[in-house]
Amino acid sequence: DGGITQSPKYLFRKEGQNVTLSCEQNLNHDAMYWYRQDPGQGLRLIYYSQIVNDFQKGDIAEGYSVSREKKESFPLTVTSAQKNPTAFYLCATLAGGRDEQFFGPGTRLTVL
Amino acid sequence: QQQVKQSPQSLIVQKGGIPIINCAYENTAFDYFPWYQQFPGKGPALLIAIRPDVSEKKEGRFTISFNKSAKQFSLHIMDSQPGDSATYFCAASSGVGNEKLTFGTGTRLTIIP
Repeated sequence: DGGITQSPKYLFRKEGQNVTLSCEQNLNHDAMYWYRQDPGQGLRLIYYSQIVNDFQKGDIAEGYSVSREKKESFPLTVTSAQKNPTAFYLCATLAGGRDEQFFGPGTRLTVL
Repeated sequence: QQQVKQSPQSLIVQKGGIPIINCAYENTAFDYFPWYQQFPGKGPALLIAIRPDVSEKKEGRFTISFNKSAKQFSLHIMDSQPGDSATYFCAASSGVGNEKLTFGTGTRLTIIP
């Protein structure tokens, strides 16, 4: 997990509410990623950002939004448009010119 | 969508045995193939990775075998231990910096004493 903080670890929300998941890193890595993990489906890329003030959609961006105002932070908002938001959300970082993505400890979101 | 197909979905092996997890890919542009290990409630951690210029890579008890012509790669765990019980994901990416990883669906491995 070293250097990547995701908070909170567990999050409960009512259906129809937007919710923002936090991801902070002190690794000075350029790129940051958000993945969604569901049982039996592996990790699917939601959004990623290679530099501040720029980000790209991943494979399942619908119903999500992100911002990258600071190098250290990449918050993910799960909007009410996301039809099935209950999942385990993972943030990851990648240093420039390197291969290994480092993952945070994750946030388990449950929408009631 | 680019895919990486992983099998089996789950695997039970006795302590000391050699579990083997297989992955197959379609995109010939993939040039980086990592394996991640994930314990329950935690984020994945890189275990070992390989590039197509070699057919095998060993790190401790973990070995990746790579078959470029078949577009397949596999993870072998030698002398498996109960502490190796976890979910394992293969992945693949291409391009400079390997920005976008495509993951397999995962294998839940259980090592019984």
